[in-house]
Amino acid sequence: QQQVKQSPQSLIVQKGGISIINCAYENTAFDYFPWYQQFPGKGPALLIAIRPDVSEKKEGRFTISFNKSAKQFSLHIMDSQPGDSATYFCAASKRENFNKFYFGSGTKLNVKP
Amino acid sequence: KAGVTQTPRYLIKTRGQQVTLSCSPISGHRSVSWYQQTPGQGLQFLFEYFSETQRNKGNFPGRFSGRQFSNSRSEMNVSTLELGDSALYLCASSDTGRGQYFGPGTRLTVL
Repeated sequence: QQQVKQSPQSLIVQKGGISIINCAYENTAFDYFPWYQQFPGKGPALLIAIRPDVSEKKEGRFTISFNKSAKQFSLHIMDSQPGDSATYFCAASKRENFNKFYFGSGTKLNVKP
Repeated sequence: KAGVTQTPRYLIKTRGQQVTLSCSPISGHRSVSWYQQTPGQGLQFLFEYFSETQRNKGNFPGRFSGRQFSNSRSEMNVSTLELGDSALYLCASSDTGRGQYFGPGTRLTVL
């Protein structure tokens, strides 16, 4: 079964709007949660990551919100731009196998000009 | 620093053949992981190598194998190819931290 569930599958946002992508997990052994951005023909690129002892992390226009009790985390893209149009993946890994990542199914974001 | 490189970028094979893909990690990175990406299954972990030893393994059949060399370069091999092996194969390298850096991938098509 999928260890990390991601929604929505696709998202259309107007330029300047906020894009929100959600992920949920069950395994409480996960202790590292990165987000990746992938453009067509490219490999995923690490955007931002968070650990469960922090509820929010911000880097530029990208923010991760983390709810440990609900076992959910989300990516917020503020002031979304057409150049942000890509597929976004959440992921999780455990301390004992920290380079073995479980990925969400991906969200295709389209930012309209 | 140069990024992760993968060769070849595209490959076409027929069922029953075998294939070898290559990955050169970022200089100084000792961990190399391999993932399979398909539209239906998404990104799935194949295995990870660290200092020439397999450290983690995913749930793939034994037809999928890999190795790592003393210079941290890695290869993965798929034997007896099946149509379902058509995918983008991604290599990712990391240092002692938790971040993984992906290469552009090798697009394998099995006919």
